[in-house]
Amino acid sequence: DAGVTQSPTHLIKTRGQQVTLRCSPKSGHDTVSWYQQALGQGPQFIFQYYEEEERQRGNFPDRFSGHQYPNYSSELNVNALLLGDSALYLCASSLQGFSYEQYFGPGTRLTVT
Amino acid sequence: LAKTTQPISMDSYEGQEVNITCSHNNIATNDYITWYQQFPSQGPRFIIQGYKTKVTNEVASLFIPADRKSSTLSLPRVSLSDTAVYYCLVGGQTGANNLFFGTGTRLTVIP
Repeated sequence: DAGVTQSPTHLIKTRGQQVTLRCSPKSGHDTVSWYQQALGQGPQFIFQYYEEEERQRGNFPDRFSGHQYPNYSSELNVNALLLGDSALYLCASSLQGFSYEQYFGPGTRLTVT
Repeated sequence: LAKTTQPISMDSYEGQEVNITCSHNNIATNDYITWYQQFPSQGPRFIIQGYKTKVTNEVASLFIPADRKSSTLSLPRVSLSDTAVYYCLVGGQTGANNLFFGTGTRLTVIP
């Protein structure tokens, strides 16, 4: 049973560029959440997708957007990258209604130079 | 979501039992208490969840007193591989749309 997978593993971008990160949820899960984790900090919630719609959003600007496909996979897009966007981006999947037991992927390490 | 307070770090020798306490004074009636573990450069991993009294699984035990204003994660006979950051989270099990992670407790197991 495949767990949550994310791609790419690492990414280096320049300020002002755009980036797309991808996530495939654990088999059987229908809900995908995205988190940003800065060095030495706990993960911060960005948003959650269910039934191809954004259901809830954390305190992140509109530069952060996402998408969920019919097969439940998801993308996180970040536009106009800033140096402060450098972080580990985590994807987590769960079953709707049981969001406190989330399964996390290994993350994508984004470096903005 | 109720705010939680945990020690920033703890050290323990291999083979000892480790107890990490979390304070959540503003916990709501329908809130559950959940603990996650995170190794460096990996995503957090669900450890255990409870509502009241005691919950035990193959990895850990969770003790919750009657007033539910605190909880204690107990790791029996820790090994070097238990070195990680442990997060305590409080919120509703159903309808909760996100997880609020604090800074967690960094546990270092010493040989």
